[in-house]
Amino acid sequence: DAKTTQPPSMDCAEGRAANLPCNHSTISGNEYVYWYRQIHSQGPQYIIHGLKNNETNEMASLIITEDRKSSTLILPHATLRDTAVYYCIVDNNAGNMLTFGGGTRLMVKP
Amino acid sequence: NAGVMQNPRHLVRRRGQEARLRCSPMKGHSHVYWYRQLPEEGLKFMVYLQKENIIDESGMPKERFSAEFPKEGPSILRIQQVVRGDSAAYFCASSPRGFEAFFGQGTRLTVV
Repeated sequence: DAKTTQPPSMDCAEGRAANLPCNHSTISGNEYVYWYRQIHSQGPQYIIHGLKNNETNEMASLIITEDRKSSTLILPHATLRDTAVYYCIVDNNAGNMLTFGGGTRLMVKP
Repeated sequence: NAGVMQNPRHLVRRRGQEARLRCSPMKGHSHVYWYRQLPEEGLKFMVYLQKENIIDESGMPKERFSAEFPKEGPSILRIQQVVRGDSAAYFCASSPRGFEAFFGQGTRLTVV
């Protein structure tokens, strides 16, 4: 599986957009980009995933660069409840044996 | 549709005892995954099961740990002769075999 690189921590003001970057320069053509988050020791929560095109759902948007070597997760209007560790994962869907790295600890501040 | 159910939520065992962790996947999901999260660390994959089959157990410790997903009933992660280093949060996830995995709330095992 390809490795991902994320900043260890980020701050965001409540109500503003949170943009979380992820580098995956060795991603293979059949690997998807997934984002999960873990809110204070709860079970991880799926957010979004994509292959090549940008994706949007009710939680977030995922922007993937044309060369697929990096992506950005966007939370359009961050709330205090979005404070969590966000994990960027690449996976080829051969099985959901996800490899969690260190993630980015997002702190949303009032 | 209930989510992934794990029980117990908290489990305390003395060193040398056995720990049994249960996971009921979401309705319609036949793929179950177990992960372990040690204190202040990230989640580590342990084992991937389908009904009555272990598909990948590359993350399981070689001794004392076993997992099953019987035809009927929940998936069970079993830890024999627990040691203090087994203290962790154990998360189960299920998937319809495609994309997103749905995680339970975990079982927090404390070995005293």
